[in-house]
Amino acid sequence: EIVMTQSPATVSVSPGERATLSCRASQSVSNNLAWYQQKPGQAPRLLIYGASTRATDVPARFSGSGSGTEFTLTISSLQSEDFAIYYCQQYNKWPPRVTFGGGTKVEIK
Amino acid sequence: QVQLVESGGGVVQPGRSLRLSCAASGFRFSNYGMQWVRQAPGKGLEWVAVIWSDGSNKFYGDSVKGRFTMSRDNSQNTLYLQMNSLRAEDTAVYYCARANGLNHGYCDYWGQGTLVTVSS
Repeated sequence: EIVMTQSPATVSVSPGERATLSCRASQSVSNNLAWYQQKPGQAPRLLIYGASTRATDVPARFSGSGSGTEFTLTISSLQSEDFAIYYCQQYNKWPPRVTFGGGTKVEIK
Repeated sequence: QVQLVESGGGVVQPGRSLRLSCAASGFRFSNYGMQWVRQAPGKGLEWVAVIWSDGSNKFYGDSVKGRFTMSRDNSQNTLYLQMNSLRAEDTAVYYCARANGLNHGYCDYWGQGTLVTVSS
């Protein structure tokens, strides 16, 4: 199983500041990585797929980068609605064995 | 617009069975793979299963393999998850999601989830 490790577990950021979230895979997943945002009581929302492609209607302040085993989600200027938990997910393996990271909580500083 | 509505959750005793449904609308259901993903209370996301658009391939997470069966009825735009031999650790919110990309690996639309509680 490919293990996805996210860091930090929690990050405290002031509105308007930049947040950088990391995700590491235990083996290469090429660029087959997605990022999701989840707010309390809501379903996850797809932000990024293919490591760097923004999903439909996702604001440009969200960007993804990386390939292989190291990935980053950057939120360039945090808005109040961005405080949430963010999960990375790999989908590279055959047969399919999707795995998620443990999540990073972005909280208000 | 894309809509996914899960149903069938509830409280069930350990060892018993439950079937979840997911009604899809707003897109051509038969063209897309689908996934089930679950989330235990206060925990992260766990992949459960994926099914190909025509139902020809199905794959399961290790924790549910042999106990859960995913299926679909493209004529009714409905996805199913048959859960047998339920355990306390299966307690979670179960989400159905439309799958995309390599091996139908990521999910671009999600339902609101249905809660399954396994308890005596």
